[in-house]
Amino acid sequence: DVKVTQSSRYLVKRTGEKVFLECVQDMDHENMFWYRQDPGLGLRLIYFSYDVKMKEKGDIPEGYSVSREKKERFSLILESASTNQTSMYLCASSRRVGDSPLHFGNGTRLTVT
Amino acid sequence: SQQGEEDPQALSIQEGENATMNCSYKTSINNLQWYRQNSGRGLVHLILIRSNEREKHSGRLRVTLDTSKKSSSLLITASRAADTASYFCATGVYGSARQLTFGSGTQLTVLP
Repeated sequence: DVKVTQSSRYLVKRTGEKVFLECVQDMDHENMFWYRQDPGLGLRLIYFSYDVKMKEKGDIPEGYSVSREKKERFSLILESASTNQTSMYLCASSRRVGDSPLHFGNGTRLTVT
Repeated sequence: SQQGEEDPQALSIQEGENATMNCSYKTSINNLQWYRQNSGRGLVHLILIRSNEREKHSGRLRVTLDTSKKSSSLLITASRAADTASYFCATGVYGSARQLTFGSGTQLTVLP
């Protein structure tokens, strides 16, 4: 089974801090994704990557950046955390683009105070 | 942008009953997927149905797809308390790097 591991389940940060969310997958998937999930809004794509060092903006990239230096690892960076970035962050990976299942991590619930 | 929209938003049934959730979408798709999310956890993939398929089964799950109506349904038969979760549909387009677009989900509660 594919395993996607997010480094933290819960995180509390202060406004203005730089925050790193780490994600590792063990199935050699090319594609990796970061979503945020908010009540009533469903899942919204922040960034995705289809190869090492490649990244593409999703629907809501503002205030975020990403890094993919190795195939198995995809990091989400909040350059200067704000309270409106309090959310559940979900990392996922997939084998093909557009027509194969996404494998999700268990999520990181980030609170920015 | 959200494309899949689930209906109803919430559903409460007794154990042993069947649960049906619906999903509508707006544009052409290559496939539609259903996911399940237990409270506070990540999503788990349940089933993928391609645009040239009309029905697919997996255990107690049955998914239908009607591309002419741009809709899909997920049926869970003989539900159990452990089926309590949120269920999401997601639409995909082959080759689209934006992958899947998710709806807001149906919260299913199965009462023992």
